[in-house]
Amino acid sequence: EDQVTQSPEALRLQEGESSSLNCSYTVSGLRGLFWYRQDPGKGPEFLFTLYSAGEEKEKERLKATLTKKESFLHITAPKPEDSATYLCAVQARGGSYIPTFGRGTSLIVHP
Amino acid sequence: DAGVTQSPTHLIKTRGQQVTLRCSPKSGHDTVSWYQQALGQGPQFIFQYYEEEERQRGNFPDRFSGHQFPNYSSELNVNALLLGDSALYLCASSRMEGYGYTFGSGTRLTVV
Repeated sequence: EDQVTQSPEALRLQEGESSSLNCSYTVSGLRGLFWYRQDPGKGPEFLFTLYSAGEEKEKERLKATLTKKESFLHITAPKPEDSATYLCAVQARGGSYIPTFGRGTSLIVHP
Repeated sequence: DAGVTQSPTHLIKTRGQQVTLRCSPKSGHDTVSWYQQALGQGPQFIFQYYEEEERQRGNFPDRFSGHQFPNYSSELNVNALLLGDSALYLCASSRMEGYGYTFGSGTRLTVV
C-alpha cells in the first residue's frame, strides 16, 4: 500500500526565514510525485511534478527536490502570502494511477 | 480556459438525508475523481470515473455512489448522511493516462 508522510504537521516562520518541508513516501515504483498548495476552504492548487530521483523544480520562492525515499519543498525568504497548507501526493506505476495524499504541512509566515 | 467547476460551494443537510454534488471537468480531461477531505486531513480517494464507468474505488461505503455523463461531467451522491460525512468534497479531473490532477474549489458539506 502506498504511504505518504509529511513533516512537520505545522510550521511557523518569520518573513524571510527560509525552511524546508518534508514528504517521505513508500510506493511500489514511483510514476510521479506532486506538490500542491491549498488555501483554507479551497481546492489544492498544483505546484510541481517530479518524476525521478535527483530532479529539481523551482517556482518563485519554492524549490522541490526528489530522492528515492523523500521529497523536500524548500521555501526561500518566505512572505506572508506563502501561508497555506502544502500537500504531497504520490502516483505509482503499473496500477490505477490514483494519487495518494499526505496530511499536509500547515505553513504560517508572520510579517 | 475554465478549470474544474464544482457546485454547490456550500451545503447544509440533516442527518439521514441524501445529497448530490456536481462537477464539470477541465476542458480536454476525460477522467473525474472524487476525494473527501476532513478538516486537518489530506484528501481521501472516494472513486474515479472514466468512460461513464467507475474504474477505481477507495475505502468508502456503498452510501457513496456516482455517475459520469457523456460530456465527462460527474455527480457524487451520498445517501443516509451521517455527521461524519461533514467534509470538503473535492473533484479532480485528468486525462486517463495523465500525470497529476486539476482540482476544483470543492463543496463544503455540513451534516447537522
